Amino acid sequence: KNEVEQSPQNLTAQEGEFITINCSYSVGISALHWLQQHPGGGIVSLFMLSSGKKKHGRLIATINIQEKHSSLHITASHPRDSAVYICALLSSGSARQLTFGSGTQLTVLP
Amino acid sequence: DAGVIQSPRHEVTEMGQEVTLRCKPISGHDYLFWYRQTMMRGLELLIYFNNNVPIDDSGMPEDRFSAKMPNASFSTLKIQPSEPRDSAVYFCASSASGSLSEQYFGPGTRLTVT
Repeated sequence: KNEVEQSPQNLTAQEGEFITINCSYSVGISALHWLQQHPGGGIVSLFMLSSGKKKHGRLIATINIQEKHSSLHITASHPRDSAVYICALLSSGSARQLTFGSGTQLTVLP
Repeated sequence: DAGVIQSPRHEVTEMGQEVTLRCKPISGHDYLFWYRQTMMRGLELLIYFNNNVPIDDSGMPEDRFSAKMPNASFSTLKIQPSEPRDSAVYFCASSASGSLSEQYFGPGTRLTVT
């Protein structure tokens, strides 16, 4: 079983829809990243969180440490949100490496 | 700040040739990471450095791969000899010290080995 599982793998939505991407993990972590990768390939860190909830514009990320689950929400989705969204775990302890989920391909249609 | 800088952005080489990928981390960051992304395996950590010292190289696929960080502003990832299965996008990322520092990714180097 992978340490980190994302769902869904692919998601197609109409512009304006509310979107949720889920990430479940099975190991202890110190933090969790949500990354965005656009078709051009560049990777941008959207959020890093270790508890609770963070919001940036139309993006909201939540994490429940006890349930080992995080969600990324996009409100009022737009075609420019089309990208791959990747959940990445930062190990607990002194190790600093990230363990990546397989990503969710989001397509927002106009 | 210019962000993490990688060069070249694209590299096409023939099997057996030596390939060197370069990375300049964000100034002041003391962690540097090399990742590889393929369709089959997604993103994988190859190696990371702290204060120029390699900390974990367990992700380096085999002896053909080597990485160095001679100073705080420069790192190289070398593949010698290259093979077609090394074709991938290689990302460099850096972060500051502190347990919850975000990682900032470079634009990546797309390597094609024919």
